[in-house]
Amino acid sequence: GEDVEQSLFLSVREGDSSVINCTYTDSSSTYLYWYKQEPGAGLQLLTYIFSNMDMKQDQRLTVLLNKKDKHLSLRIADTQTGDSAIYFCAESSGNTGKLIFGQGTTLQVKP
Amino acid sequence: ETGVTQSPTHLIKTRGQQVTLRCSSQSGHNTVSWYQQALGQGPQFIFQYYREEENGRGNFPPRFSGLQFPNYSSELNVNALELDDSALYLCASSPRGGGADTQYFGPGTRLTVL
Repeated sequence: GEDVEQSLFLSVREGDSSVINCTYTDSSSTYLYWYKQEPGAGLQLLTYIFSNMDMKQDQRLTVLLNKKDKHLSLRIADTQTGDSAIYFCAESSGNTGKLIFGQGTTLQVKP
Repeated sequence: ETGVTQSPTHLIKTRGQQVTLRCSSQSGHNTVSWYQQALGQGPQFIFQYYREEENGRGNFPPRFSGLQFPNYSSELNVNALELDDSALYLCASSPRGGGADTQYFGPGTRLTVL
């Protein structure tokens, strides 16, 4: 079956690193994505990783993929108050373009 | 470059009514996908349109239907509205269609069914 799971809440201090974790079940997923959603807004694409990679770095963001364990993580370095939002992990499924999302992790950044 | 736009921003309907939501895809994108996001949940895939044809459908009843136009804009129609249809409806466009294609989301339409 298709399922993506995330922890629901993470609280960090400004300046610390944040690590948001995600597990997925579809081993045929081609791409895995991280989206950010601020209150009352749509989804902003943060980054994505192709399934044959194990790491991708993009400025303050680092994505790690463990394909064997079907585990994806997003590390945000030097977390700022503006990073407070809900973060969604998503996997692509088959040829339909369907994205399967986790429930979202609320990141709270304390000053 | 214009991003994905959706209209209206908010909408209030009563149970049993019909609603049409609209989406303009990002410039150069020929594929539109629709998602339903209930409060506190992740988005759920409704369907995708590629070159005016439905290209995959999620677990939603037939009263959810869609269209894509030659300019790649799209509509989502929901008939016989139910209270559980209250949600944020998100449209996403992608450049090439099919699987493994990055989707860019619009701001969403908040639908409330009373």
